[in-house]
Amino acid sequence: DSGVTQTPKHLITATGQRVTLRCSPRSGDLSVYWYQQSLDQGLQFLIQYYNGEERAKGNILERFSAQQFPDLHSELNLSSLELGDSALYFCASSPGVGRGYTFGSGTRLTVV
Amino acid sequence: GIQVEQSPPDLILQEGANSTLRCNFSDSVNNLQWFHQNPWGQLINLFYIPSGTKQNGRLSATTVATERYSLLYISSSQTTDSGVYFCAVGGGGTGNQFYFGTGTSLTVIP
Repeated sequence: DSGVTQTPKHLITATGQRVTLRCSPRSGDLSVYWYQQSLDQGLQFLIQYYNGEERAKGNILERFSAQQFPDLHSELNLSSLELGDSALYFCASSPGVGRGYTFGSGTRLTVV
Repeated sequence: GIQVEQSPPDLILQEGANSTLRCNFSDSVNNLQWFHQNPWGQLINLFYIPSGTKQNGRLSATTVATERYSLLYISSSQTTDSGVYFCAVGGGGTGNQFYFGTGTSLTVIP
């Protein structure tokens, strides 16, 4: 157990739907990062939060949004889902900006 | 962003063999990690190694930051070493994110 908890582990949903992925960072870690891993794109950085504030944005679609709550857990919201959104979504946490990552076990999203 | 190249892209080893995986990066960085993604998809942190050499059992890693490369050594490979090995770099002028290479896919056969 890495200490980073992601739920759910698996999610199957239909096109056009909206889902929420949840991440609880390791105790004491203030930074949360979201990554998408699809077969043809590798690991793509989506967004980072530090202590509740957005710090960096990567290749995140406008249909996707995220937030970090006061208890430091984070949620990634994916809406108007398309078949191409099927991927593994990872959350990682670190003690601070630019420090080493610890990944959660990921959420496997399948859009049908 | 920073370009991260890993080689070789694929590697097949007989159990017990040794191997060296390489990671080259295009700019100065303050952080570098090696990860192993197992066949179940889990990303396991192997080393946090922005510079120098570290060892953990049969695995060791060396980063030469001034020359912008890192090496991961696997000795006496086992079938459980199979999976994809990723190098990720960050810090320096890259902002807050880590940039991942495309990985080396390792298959260890008995």
